[in-house]
Amino acid sequence: GQQLNQSPQSMFIQEGEDVSMNCTSSSIFNTWLWYKQDPGEGPVLLIALYKAGELTSNGRLTAQFGITRKDSFLNISASIPSDVGIYFCAGKNYGGSQGNLIFGKGTKLSVKP
Amino acid sequence: NAGVTQTPKFQVLKTGQSMTLQCAQDMNHEYMSWYRQDPGMGLRLIHYSVGAGITDQGEVPNGYNVSRSTTEDFPLRLLSAAPSQTSVYFCASSSDRGYSLYYNEQFFGPGTRLTVL
Repeated sequence: GQQLNQSPQSMFIQEGEDVSMNCTSSSIFNTWLWYKQDPGEGPVLLIALYKAGELTSNGRLTAQFGITRKDSFLNISASIPSDVGIYFCAGKNYGGSQGNLIFGKGTKLSVKP
Repeated sequence: NAGVTQTPKFQVLKTGQSMTLQCAQDMNHEYMSWYRQDPGMGLRLIHYSVGAGITDQGEVPNGYNVSRSTTEDFPLRLLSAAPSQTSVYFCASSSDRGYSLYYNEQFFGPGTRLTVL
């Protein structure tokens, strides 16, 4: 089945730093999604991308749908403490059971001690 | 509008016991799904439903049963709990049945934390 490789697995941030993470797939997707999960909560959608090459922003977050349709990137600018959590990428195709989401393993953002 | 609700929030079972995790949504969504989340594994799809009376298997269905008698409810049954089923379980719903070009957001419940001893 399709698999997503998300990196890095974890990272430490200092307030004000920019953060980058990415997701790659062994096969193409029609839609790329980025979710954030706070401790003890379910994931919440941040950004959805529908077209190869598309660049979409949501406040300090910017995500891109890779040209090959096999990858996506998420950048967080000027990080703040409430950015900590786990960020998941997810891919989706449309049509029948392919409409289900395939999730990456997550990137855990923590604050530098 | 409560969104997606899950009960219980925490549960401890002994090996071999059975139980049902409850999930309900009040958004009139056709699509509902169950995921399990294990450390370092992300979310993996267990079962899903595209409408009342229709269910199908996801990536990791073994040991779990589902049914969808109403649009609102999608319970997940553990038939004979095993330690390997210790996990956090998330239910999600969406108006997206998978056929639309644009993604209709999946809304997740708060999760059920299950420990099997």
